[in-house]
Amino acid sequence: DTAVSQTPKYLVTQMGNDKSIKCEQNLGHDTMYWYKQDSKKFLKIMFSYNNKELIINETVPNRFSPKSPDKAHLNLHINSLELGDSAVYFCASSQSGLREQYFGPGTRLTVT
Amino acid sequence: RKEVEQDPGPFNVPEGATVAFNCTYSNSASQSFFWYRQDCRKEPKLLMSVYSSGNEDGRFTAQLNRASQYISLLIRDSKLSDSATYLCVVKIGNDMRFGAGTRLTVKP
Repeated sequence: DTAVSQTPKYLVTQMGNDKSIKCEQNLGHDTMYWYKQDSKKFLKIMFSYNNKELIINETVPNRFSPKSPDKAHLNLHINSLELGDSAVYFCASSQSGLREQYFGPGTRLTVT
Repeated sequence: RKEVEQDPGPFNVPEGATVAFNCTYSNSASQSFFWYRQDCRKEPKLLMSVYSSGNEDGRFTAQLNRASQYISLLIRDSKLSDSATYLCVVKIGNDMRFGAGTRLTVKP
């Protein structure tokens, strides 16, 4: 069983479109995250949700909106996609008080 | 100054070599420390946590110096399968901050 899963794995779309990436974890964790890894391989946190509430919201454009319908899911919706949004987006989860995070396999987004 | 800084490498070493990676962090409130490994086109995976007294896991040894805000990872007897990018990670509360990674290539 995959602990943290993301869909789709690959996403190719044109500038200006709106797209969503879904994430699910079956580890029973209470905290979920979205990270962006750009072409320089730098992994940067975007959002963090704890028990469905936003606790970290780094400086990302308003075009990015996370949604957490329940503790096991954290989806990322992106409006008006731009070329600079091309990157790999990783979802992760952890349990408060425990140490490590577990990552999903990533979604490679290409905006043309 | 970046919150977590690492030498990006690349480190190219022969099999059997010993290689060391260093990392510094800027926030003295950092509570937990880790090394993650990321293979090409894959997700980061936890390699090991780093404890104040230093800790070892097989061929891997991690050290932490809180006073100097410095973390290290030593890999002994390198294997071809150790080739990857090694990410230094610090945790403050629920927030994880990643270094840009150090790329290691182990050659036959």
